[in-house]
Amino acid sequence: NAGVTQTPKFQVLKTGQSMTLQCAQDMNHEYMSWYRQDPGMGLRLIHYSVGAGITDQGEVPNGYNVSRSTTEDFPLRLLSAAPSQTSVYFCASSYSTGERTYEQYFGPGTRLTVT
Amino acid sequence: SQQGEEDPQALSIQEGENATMNCSYKTSINNLQWYRQNSGRGLVHLILIRSNEREKHSGRLRVTLDTSKKSSSLLITASRAADTASYFCATGAQGAQKLVFGQGTRLTINP
Repeated sequence: NAGVTQTPKFQVLKTGQSMTLQCAQDMNHEYMSWYRQDPGMGLRLIHYSVGAGITDQGEVPNGYNVSRSTTEDFPLRLLSAAPSQTSVYFCASSYSTGERTYEQYFGPGTRLTVT
Repeated sequence: SQQGEEDPQALSIQEGENATMNCSYKTSINNLQWYRQNSGRGLVHLILIRSNEREKHSGRLRVTLDTSKKSSSLLITASRAADTASYFCATGAQGAQKLVFGQGTRLTINP
């Protein structure tokens, strides 16, 4: 299994540009999430999904959109990039039964710089 | 806002010594998890402890959970240079799948 994959690994955007960060998992996990990690900080939850067709906002959702059309894919869209969105973005997936939380599997991250 | 607060923020010890990191949280939890992050890499799950458990072991790792004090500790015994990394605690609430991460402890093992 490839686990959780993310593309691209690095990206530089100009302010106002839009782009999509890709995330895919091959473990048939229901739960997927996007985090951002700023220097010296922990991870902050942007959006998450508990299954295909179901998404919800996390702690810092502004400026980002998500959709979940399949179990495998969970893309994150930046609508109009801003310098404050310069960060490292991690996608994660997890098995879930609804009431219990299990360990999350993380992708390698996308390092995004907005100039 | 972040649920977990970790202490210390940075820890530097000699190879072979034990390393202890602490995590405190504010609200009721279903489980608490510890993750490791090597520089520039994604997080790797280490251990999960549920709210009805008090202690858990995995190899050289020992995790304790005190729900009355809303705190947890991660002990790494006989540290190795390869243990150099940042360590994060994350809490999961009852009935929710999402995790809330702390800011992490940066551990450096000196040879």
